[in-house]
Amino acid sequence: GQQLNQSPQSMFIQEGEDVSMNCTSSSIFNTWLWYKQDPGEGPVLLIALYKAGELTSNGRLTAQFGITRKDSFLNISASIPSDVGIYFCAGKETSGSRLTFGEGTQLTVNP
Amino acid sequence: DSGVTQTPKHLITATGQRVTLRCSPRSGDLSVYWYQQSLDQGLQFLIQYYNGEERAKGNILERFSAQQFPDLHSELNLSSLELGDSALYFCASSVGGSSTYEQYFGPGTRLTVT
Repeated sequence: GQQLNQSPQSMFIQEGEDVSMNCTSSSIFNTWLWYKQDPGEGPVLLIALYKAGELTSNGRLTAQFGITRKDSFLNISASIPSDVGIYFCAGKETSGSRLTFGEGTQLTVNP
Repeated sequence: DSGVTQTPKHLITATGQRVTLRCSPRSGDLSVYWYQQSLDQGLQFLIQYYNGEERAKGNILERFSAQQFPDLHSELNLSSLELGDSALYFCASSVGGSSTYEQYFGPGTRLTVT
């Protein structure tokens, strides 16, 4: 089945630093979504991308839909302690409505 | 608050038992998805329903089944439970159709099988 490679698996940064993470797929996607999950909670949708090359921001978060349609990137600027959590990418192939999720990036922010 | 509700929040049961997890989607959403998340694991897609009909199946065990009712709420039934079924079970909903694929997740049900 479809696989998404999300990297890095974990990140340890200082408050105020910028963060980048990405996902790559083995096939073309027409939708990329980014979620954040706090421990024991459900994932929360951060950003949705629907067009190749699209760059979308949500506050300090910026995500891009890769031009090849096989990758996506999430950047967090000026990190703060509440950014701690697991970030998941999710993508959808051109047919169907099912999402495939990456394995997640665990972000730790040291004050 | 995503607008998706799940009950119960926690469930503790013994091996061999059967449980039912319930999900109510956001108002207006026609699609419901079920996911399993084991400890420190990603989200494994189980099954999708759209307007009462099964739309897609993932890695769902034969011991598990689901349905979506006319009022659009959904139930996930887990039977002959094993220790390895202990996990967080999430329901997500989306509008459905082909215009948007944004899924909104509920708070989850934590299942512990002892």
